[in-house]
Amino acid sequence: DTAVSQTPKYLVTQMGNDKSIKCEQNLGHDTMYWYKQDSKKFLKIMFSYNNKELIINETVPNRFSPKSPDKAHLNLHINSLELGDSAVYFCASSQAEGGAFFGQGTRLTVV
Amino acid sequence: SQQGEEDPQALSIQEGENATMNCSYKTSINNLQWYRQNSGRGLVHLILIRSNEREKHSGRLRVTLDTSKKSSSLLITASRAADTASYFCATDLTGGGNKLTFGTGTQLKVEL
Repeated sequence: DTAVSQTPKYLVTQMGNDKSIKCEQNLGHDTMYWYKQDSKKFLKIMFSYNNKELIINETVPNRFSPKSPDKAHLNLHINSLELGDSAVYFCASSQAEGGAFFGQGTRLTVV
Repeated sequence: SQQGEEDPQALSIQEGENATMNCSYKTSINNLQWYRQNSGRGLVHLILIRSNEREKHSGRLRVTLDTSKKSSSLLITASRAADTASYFCATDLTGGGNKLTFGTGTQLKVEL
């Protein structure tokens, strides 16, 4: 069973559209994250939720809105997509001071 | 700003050789972690070393941590072609709320 799964794996969309990426973890972890990896492989945290509560919100445009319906799910909604949003988005989860488990990533291409 | 800087950016070695990657960071940490990323895939957690530990082993991996120099190294012994990947260090900062800050990564290529 996949520990952290995110869908879709690939997403190609036009500028101005709104899209969502879904993430689910079956590890029973309390903390979930969204990271963005750019074309230079630089990974930057966007959001972190602990037990459905937002605990980290980095400097991210408010077009990005995370939603955590329960502690096993953390979805990312993006409004009014821009060319610069093209990247690979990774969902991850962790427990206390353990290592993080990452999903396979969603490659978003805005055209 | 970038917390971790890794060195070298790219490393190419022959199978059977050892590979050493270094990571430097700037502020106080709870722990430091190393991850591997194969091309087009997600990151895989390799090893975690706490701020009060100096060395840790896991199979062919050996990690050291020097908090006085704010640096860590990852040694992969007897490398294999399957070790070809990007390797990232990530720091869990003191008071950071489980936020991992990643380094710039080292791209390792192990040739047959």
